[in-house]
Amino acid sequence: ETGVTQSPTHLIKTRGQQVTLRCSSQSGHNTVSWYQQALGQGPQFIFQYYREEENGRGNFPPRFSGLQFPNYSSELNVNALELDDSALYLCASSQGGLKGDTEAFFGQGTRLTVV
Amino acid sequence: SQKIEQNSEALNIQEGKTATLTCNYTNYSPAYLQWYRQDPGRGPVFLLLIRENEKEKRKERLKVTFDTTLKQSLFHITASQPADSATYLCALDTGGFKTIFGAGTRLFVKA
Repeated sequence: ETGVTQSPTHLIKTRGQQVTLRCSSQSGHNTVSWYQQALGQGPQFIFQYYREEENGRGNFPPRFSGLQFPNYSSELNVNALELDDSALYLCASSQGGLKGDTEAFFGQGTRLTVV
Repeated sequence: SQKIEQNSEALNIQEGKTATLTCNYTNYSPAYLQWYRQDPGRGPVFLLLIRENEKEKRKERLKVTFDTTLKQSLFHITASQPADSATYLCALDTGGFKTIFGAGTRLFVKA
């Protein structure tokens, strides 16, 4: 196991609702990245947090937002859920910060289903 | 925009043979490239990282090559085992914080 834990593991929401996903990063890691993985696709970068600040964002609308806490754990919030938001949401922790060339440790993911 | 291509078709090989997976990319010159393994319903697990100035890297039965001229990486598993069956993802840096992933290649190793 990587030491990165995500909760919940599975979630079903209705279109238009809001959801919060949580990630506890590996001890000593100050960087958390969030990814969305649709079935049969690779993970798509949502954003990254380094020392509580967002330091990069992928091609996702503003209704995807996040937080990183002083203990480096993190939340992903998605507002106004759409059916296409159904996916596996992955959190990855690392010690890279702005340097991307370090190993990332992924959690087991949260499977979100929007109905 | 950056594009990563991995074989979309599954790779089926016999136990004991060498599996070779391909990752091709366009429109970028990454400083490094990573390979991950992903099992169904699980998060990716880091396997190897290779930098642009490294031609080849090995770890136990795994070998990765990185050809920046061809814009291609090859991932080899020697003496493959049924337990190696999984999806293998290639990932590139984009200069700092963002790593982009390919769609992955599914490997099946038959006993």
